[in-house]
Amino acid sequence: QAVLTQPSSLSASPGASASLTCTLRSGINVGTYRIYWYQQKPGSPPQYLLKYRSDSDTQQGSGVPSRFSGSKDASANAGILLISGLQSEDEADYYCMIWHNSAWVFGGGTKLTVL
Amino acid sequence: QVQLQESGPGLVKPSETLSLICTVSGGSLTSYYWSWVRQPAGKGLEWIGRIYTSGNTGYNPSLKSRVTLSIDTSKNQFSLKLSSVTAADTAVYYCAREQNYGDYDYWGQGTLVTVSS
Repeated sequence: QAVLTQPSSLSASPGASASLTCTLRSGINVGTYRIYWYQQKPGSPPQYLLKYRSDSDTQQGSGVPSRFSGSKDASANAGILLISGLQSEDEADYYCMIWHNSAWVFGGGTKLTVL
Repeated sequence: QVQLQESGPGLVKPSETLSLICTVSGGSLTSYYWSWVRQPAGKGLEWIGRIYTSGNTGYNPSLKSRVTLSIDTSKNQFSLKLSSVTAADTAVYYCAREQNYGDYDYWGQGTLVTVSS
């Protein structure tokens, strides 16, 4: 079982909100991890969005709009990237990442379609 | 403005060693971690490893036995060697700077390496 699991795809309408989940493998407690989020558009390298451990321990990437925010769902053992006021430019692949067993681990990514 | 540029052969034969260099311009290597991340076509990101300016390294456990990272601060370069490659190592390879813990703020544009005879 993968360390981090993300839905392969998600669709949402312009102006709506999208909640992208990153589920940690059973036995790995989301509460103890800082979750990092990256956005990648076709043909480009990933771009850092934000990191989130708690509401008091979160940081936005430089120039990243406040429409992007992080949270956690402890009951689901998942990190969440919330994108509000969706715009067409938000259509991209989104990856979560954690530091686990002395290595950075990426989730498989979610392709967000805005239509 | 910091810029990173990957360079190296785009085609490597199976069982040989993949070698890439990342040249950093517009800034110093000092006091940062420098990493390699790869992405097979149509697939997700995979962290390969990182090196600090002191030479301290960290590797993806699944690749550790085949990866060597090195750094040359005099040339503002760091490099990746991946031995005994197979077709599964075909990917776009990115180099990146880790500004703070986990914040990769600068990336190269990526270079496609194909493993084929």
